[in-house]
Amino acid sequence: EVQLLESGGGLVQPGGSLRLSCAASGFTFRSFALNWVRQAPGKGLEWVSGISGSGGSTYYADSVKGRFTISRDNSKNLYLQMNSLRAEDTAVYYCAKSPRQSPQWFDYWGQGTLVTVSS
Amino acid sequence: EIVMTQSPATLSVSPGERATLSCRASQSVSSNLAWYQQKPGQAPRLLIYGASTRATGIPARFSGSGSGTEFTLTISSLQSEDFAVYYCQQYNNWPLLTFGPGTKVDIK
Repeated sequence: EVQLLESGGGLVQPGGSLRLSCAASGFTFRSFALNWVRQAPGKGLEWVSGISGSGGSTYYADSVKGRFTISRDNSKNLYLQMNSLRAEDTAVYYCAKSPRQSPQWFDYWGQGTLVTVSS
Repeated sequence: EIVMTQSPATLSVSPGERATLSCRASQSVSSNLAWYQQKPGQAPRLLIYGASTRATGIPARFSGSGSGTEFTLTISSLQSEDFAVYYCQQYNNWPLLTFGPGTKVDIK
């Protein structure tokens, strides 16, 4: 059974940093792309970042490029390092698996972790 | 960036009735379109990919159609568990993946 378990969310001040983690299990980790998708309170879904199955390619939405960094390790973990956080980054952040080596659609999702950027 | 729009914003339907949700892309996405269902407090769930292929475990009452810029999600006979928000998402322009704003299906 595929499982994605996010952690690391919390309250952070504007301009601060936070690192999200996602522990993956139940599939061949290096065969599939992983992504972060966020949802601001009461709003729709926004793809934030993706990383290829091999980890060799990373992709970002324009809204976070230069501030966020996605990575994955050999222990089946996905990360999102978030720097220079803004109020508009406040959202539930979901870890989502793509069924291909590259980010495309999302066949499995974690339950999400809430990030609140506020002073 | 490919902009996705969905209509209507809210659809009020009685249990057992048919629901038809629309999704439009600002430029052609071929058949590279997925649909998701999200219930309050839950993560989204994949329903359809490739515009018309049901994901594993999705009931046959859910069907997708369309290509290019116009797509439709049809729920043939609404069950109580189907009242939720539905999102479309294009992946033709990957890695720049974009979602529609969602259609809320509520009880009439």
